[in-house]
Amino acid sequence: EAQVTQNPRYLITVTGKKLTVTCSQNMNHEYMSWYRQDPGLGLRQIYYSMNVEVTDKGDVPEGYKVSRKEKRNFPLILESPSPNQTSLYFCASSKPIRQGASGANVLTFGAGSRLTVL
Amino acid sequence: AQSVSQHNHHVILSEAASLELGCNYSYGGTVNLFWYVQYPGQHLQLLLKYFSGDPLVKGIKGFEAEFIKSKFSFNLRKPSVQWSDTAEYFCAVYNQGGKLIFGQGTELSVKP
Repeated sequence: EAQVTQNPRYLITVTGKKLTVTCSQNMNHEYMSWYRQDPGLGLRQIYYSMNVEVTDKGDVPEGYKVSRKEKRNFPLILESPSPNQTSLYFCASSKPIRQGASGANVLTFGAGSRLTVL
Repeated sequence: AQSVSQHNHHVILSEAASLELGCNYSYGGTVNLFWYVQYPGQHLQLLLKYFSGDPLVKGIKGFEAEFIKSKFSFNLRKPSVQWSDTAEYFCAVYNQGGKLIFGQGTELSVKP
């Protein structure tokens, strides 16, 4: 089954304790992205990756890191989590997104990871 | 900055009522438009999309949306909602610069 898998689904941690949220897709998608979802703010993009070893900042990258060493995986790293990073996180992937008309593709989302930082 | 605005944060309807959720965007060039739905406790999934052609697009579960270029709008409609339509709905706009921007979301509650 084509899917995006995130782990962990739920995590409670404390300020400053490094954590990684993994994301893996089995669709051979080039494009991957991380979003955070907060009430009243919708989905905001944290980082995205056009392909292996190509990553770029989204709208809210502060406090996060990513890597794309292989096509299927796109982990989100919080080096020193803080309470304002308490949120619901979604990973998504798609075929290539290019500039220009009709450059978008449909995103496949993971189930989400609910993170609480105390 | 480019933005996507969903006017209604929370809509409450009775079953069989008609639905229209507003979505407006600020980008002036060619866009690709999406509506995603998030059912309670689930991940986002595509409801419908518009890339080109007929501005009235039909999606899953009886939803449709109309792209009105002059109004920079892509409103979502359904003639008769069901309790199972209770969910959060997100409009998303892709511009030619390669950016996909989501609206704030509209929570729809359908009373049985």
